[in-house]
Amino acid sequence: GEDVEQSLFLSVREGDSSVINCTYTDSSSTYLYWYKQEPGAGLQLLTYIFSNMDMKQDQRLTVLLNKKDKHLSLRIADTQTGDSAIYFCAESISYIPTFGRGTSLIVHP
Amino acid sequence: DAGITQSPRYKITETGRQVTLMCHQTWSHSYMFWYRQDLGHGLRLIYYSAAADITDKGEVPDGYVVSRSKTENFPLTLESATRSQTSVYFCASTGSGQGAGSPLHFGNGTRLTVT
Repeated sequence: GEDVEQSLFLSVREGDSSVINCTYTDSSSTYLYWYKQEPGAGLQLLTYIFSNMDMKQDQRLTVLLNKKDKHLSLRIADTQTGDSAIYFCAESISYIPTFGRGTSLIVHP
Repeated sequence: DAGITQSPRYKITETGRQVTLMCHQTWSHSYMFWYRQDLGHGLRLIYYSAAADITDKGEVPDGYVVSRSKTENFPLTLESATRSQTSVYFCASTGSGQGAGSPLHFGNGTRLTVT
């Protein structure tokens, strides 16, 4: 099975909060990342969390980490149409990350 | 300008032809990667390199060849292209000293179509 799992699609209304979930299997992961991929572009680092943290907030983004359940989530407050993209969760122990399949976030008016 | 660039941006080739995708980074990152992105499969690692002259297989290496004679370049060659290699290919790099576990920096991708 996959090392990192995500749901494939999420649809939200503009102005609502979006929550994208991810589960991972390697408990020795040091860093966990969220990348964003806009149409026609490569992945860009959105935010990250170190494994000894429970939460990280960065403007509209909140990352929650539950190490016991190996569960990571990304909350986007006040979701805008410009947030429509594919979001990838990734875990890393060394320099070689393992990516999830990506969650396509669709924001509609 | 600093960054990671891939060329060409789009490529159409015929089955059986050899094709090389180029990747160049200006940060002197030690690690470089090639991924392919396909619907339903997400990102799959083809090959990676930890330093010049050091390469290693990823998840889906069959049909691909890489080289890393210089730190900044990491070309990917399809020796005899097949239709199953139609995909979007991404190059990425990372290195020590960046902080935050050395996240990857991605190029904008090469869309390859094999007819």
